[in-house]
Formats: sequence, structure tokens, C-alpha cells
Amino acid sequence: EVELLESGGGLVQPGGSLRLSCAASGFTFSRFDMSWVRQAPGKGLQWVSTISNSGETTYYADSVKGRFTISRDSSKNTLFLQMSSLRADDTAVYYCGKGWGPVDHWGQGTLVTVSS
Amino acid sequence: EIVMTQSPATLSVSPGERATLSCRASQSVSSSLAWYQAKPGQAPRLLIYGASNRATGIPARFSGSGSGTEFTLTISSLQSDDSAVYFCQQYSYWPLTFGGGTKVEI
Repeated sequence: EVELLESGGGLVQPGGSLRLSCAASGFTFSRFDMSWVRQAPGKGLQWVSTISNSGETTYYADSVKGRFTISRDSSKNTLFLQMSSLRADDTAVYYCGKGWGPVDHWGQGTLVTVSS
Repeated sequence: EIVMTQSPATLSVSPGERATLSCRASQSVSSSLAWYQAKPGQAPRLLIYGASNRATGIPARFSGSGSGTEFTLTISSLQSDDSAVYFCQQYSYWPLTFGGGTKVEI
């Protein structure tokens, strides 16, 4: 059974940094592209970033480009999202997802709150 | 960026009735369209991919149709467990984009 478990969320001040992790199990992690998708309070889903199975290719939403970095460690079956220069509008639940077209499995999400 | 527009925003239906949800793309996405079900505190669930293909384990009462710019998710014989927000997503072009969602109330 595919399982994705996010961690690393929390309260951070504007301008601060945070690193999210997603531990994957139940599938061959190194074979699949992985994504981050977020949902701000009371809002819809917003794609954030995708990384290829090899880690060589990455994609970012314009709203996070230059501030967020997606990466993966296939030896540990773990996906990461390094977030810096955080803003209030980055406040959201961040979901880790397997794939991108479509995202066929999702984690439960981790809440990131950017506030002073 | 392709804009995905869902309608209606909210749909109130009775158990056993049929629900029809719409999703429109600002330009053609061919059949690169997925539907997801999202409930508070739970992981979103993939329902439909390729516009009309049910994901693994999804009941037959969920069906998808359409191509190009107009898509429909139909939930026949609604059950109380189907109360959720439903999102469409295009994956034909980067950036990937989602619709604003349709809340189904039962």
C-alpha cells in the first residue's frame, strides 16, 4: 500500500525558512516523479513543484520560483521541499503527491503557518 | 497559464440522486484531465484520470466525460460518504492547474 507521510510544518515568521519532508513507502520511489501541492485555508488546491524520478528535472509555480527548492533522496525514499523567504500567502497545508499527471496518491498534509 | 473553472460552486443533493459537476479549461487540454475528492483532514483521493478513466478502487458510480475544454464528473446514486469538495486538474501544460472546486452537500 502506498503511504506518504509529510512532516516539518509549523509556525514561521515572515522571511523565515522551513524544510518539509515526505517519507514514501509501498512503491519503488526512484521510479516515480513526485510533487508538492498546497491548499491555503478556505481555498482550492495549488500545484507548487514537481521533481522527476531521477531528480534531474524540476518544475515550480511562478509564485514560489526562486524561493522554494524541491529535492529527493532515493536512498531514503524521501521527498523534500526547502522553503525560504516565506510570506503570509504561503500559509497552507502542504501535500506530498506521487506523480503529477495525475497525482495518484496523496499524503495527509502538513500545515505551514507564516505569521509574526 | 490554463485557467480551470468549475461549476457550480456548491451542489446540494439528496441521497440516491445524481450529481453532475462541470469543469471548463481556458484552452484545450485534450484528455489530460483528472478529478479528485477532498475531505477535511484527509488526503485527497484521485477519482478519474485521462478525463474518463476511473482510478483503482473507485466505485462505478463515479464517471468522467469530456475532452478539449469541457469536462463532466457524474456521481450517480449519491451516498452520504460522497459529501466532499471535488477538484479538477489539467496536466497537459505547465504549470499544472486546478479548478476552484465544487462542494457537494448531501
